[in-house]
Amino acid sequence: EVQLVESGGGLVKPGGSLRLSCAASGFTFSNAWMSWVRQAPGKGLEWVGRIKSKTDGGTTDYAAPVKGRFTISRDDSKNTLYLQMNSLKTEDTAVYYCLWGHVEYFDFWGQGTLVTVSS
Amino acid sequence: SYVLTQPPSVSVAPGQTARITCGGNNIGSKSVHWYQQKPGQAPVLVVYDDSDRPSGIPDRFSGSNSGNTATLTISRVEGGDEADYYCQVWDSSSDHVTFGGGTKLTVL
Repeated sequence: EVQLVESGGGLVKPGGSLRLSCAASGFTFSNAWMSWVRQAPGKGLEWVGRIKSKTDGGTTDYAAPVKGRFTISRDDSKNTLYLQMNSLKTEDTAVYYCLWGHVEYFDFWGQGTLVTVSS
Repeated sequence: SYVLTQPPSVSVAPGQTARITCGGNNIGSKSVHWYQQKPGQAPVLVVYDDSDRPSGIPDRFSGSNSGNTATLTISRVEGGDEADYYCQVWDSSSDHVTFGGGTKLTVL
């Protein structure tokens, strides 16, 4: 059974940093392209970014609002995906989901972790 | 970046057919995927590659895509179908993913 379990959310002040983790199981994580999607309270879904498998180059892509501030990384030995968020803004307040699936769409979503950026 | 446009809301009576549209420039040339999200839950994939259904999704859910509009059709609507629905594409030119703004389906 595929499981994606996010952790690390919480309350942080504007300008602060936070690192989210996503523990994956039930599939071959090292071969997976993994993504993060967020959802602000009462709003729609917004793609944050993606990391390819190391065999496919391990490269990352980011949405414009987070590029230069957020970094996606992975530890294949721990089956864990990370999202390092720096220079956080109030508009980054959202539930952050870890996703796995195909290149073009996502079969599996975690339950999400809430990040609140507020003074 | 590629823009997807959905109506904010659609209402339908139980047993009727709901159609949720997703507009985009020449969207018919892309593969469109649809997600259902109920309150307090993570989204669930209900249609992928325009019209295919993941295992476990009822055949009441179907999709089509042509020209500038993709459509998610829910036949014989039930109260349990009340949810937010999002369309999504992968833009190969930018290698980015785009979601529509979402449509709230209300079952009257």
